[in-house]
Amino acid sequence: DIVMTQSPSSLAVTAGEKVTMRCKSSQSLLWSVNQNNYLSWYQQKQGQPPKLLIYGASIRESWVPDRFTGSGSGTDFTLTISNVHAEDLAVYYCQHNHGSFLPLTFGAGTKLELK
Amino acid sequence: QVQLQQPGAELVRPGASVKLSCKASGYTFTSYWMNWVKQRPEQGLEWIGRIDPYDSETHYNQKFKDKAILTVDKSSSTAYMQLSSLTSEDSAVYYCASYDAAYWGQGTLVTVSA
Repeated sequence: DIVMTQSPSSLAVTAGEKVTMRCKSSQSLLWSVNQNNYLSWYQQKQGQPPKLLIYGASIRESWVPDRFTGSGSGTDFTLTISNVHAEDLAVYYCQHNHGSFLPLTFGAGTKLELK
Repeated sequence: QVQLQQPGAELVRPGASVKLSCKASGYTFTSYWMNWVKQRPEQGLEWIGRIDPYDSETHYNQKFKDKAILTVDKSSSTAYMQLSSLTSEDSAVYYCASYDAAYWGQGTLVTVSA
């Protein structure tokens, strides 16, 4: 199974800060045929289901503000939130969705908290 | 709009089985895999498996191969997950997710208790 390792496990922030969280996969998620990275980020707020934030490592869903940026390729990925808002406090999960490597494992999550 | 409707909660006895439902609307049900995900209280997300509603092809996480069975009813655009031989370890919220994971149900809280 592909192991997804997220760091840090928690981040204490103040509104307006820029934060970066990381996700590392044990195998490359870059498919050479189409140069797509099969990596998604989800945001989960307390008591709610996860929401797809970013797919293809860097493509934002339509509802996502542009202060969220996904980057990386292969095995190393980052999610950056510039100018953190209070509404961004949540747990962020990465997941690989490369269908050739089942199961589609999630990272353990990074919890964004108020300082 | 795309919606995935799940019952809010199920209470089941240890050793019993339960069949969870996920009714899809607002999109072509047979065009997207339906995924199922487990989340224990204050824990992370575990991918259980997925089913292609078009032909019922299934892929399971080996960890859940003897625990979960995924099926669909195309006539009602509903996906099902049957969980068997339930123990306290199966107490969790179970989500369905489709449309390339862009849409998730609200989850069904399964409580295994005598």
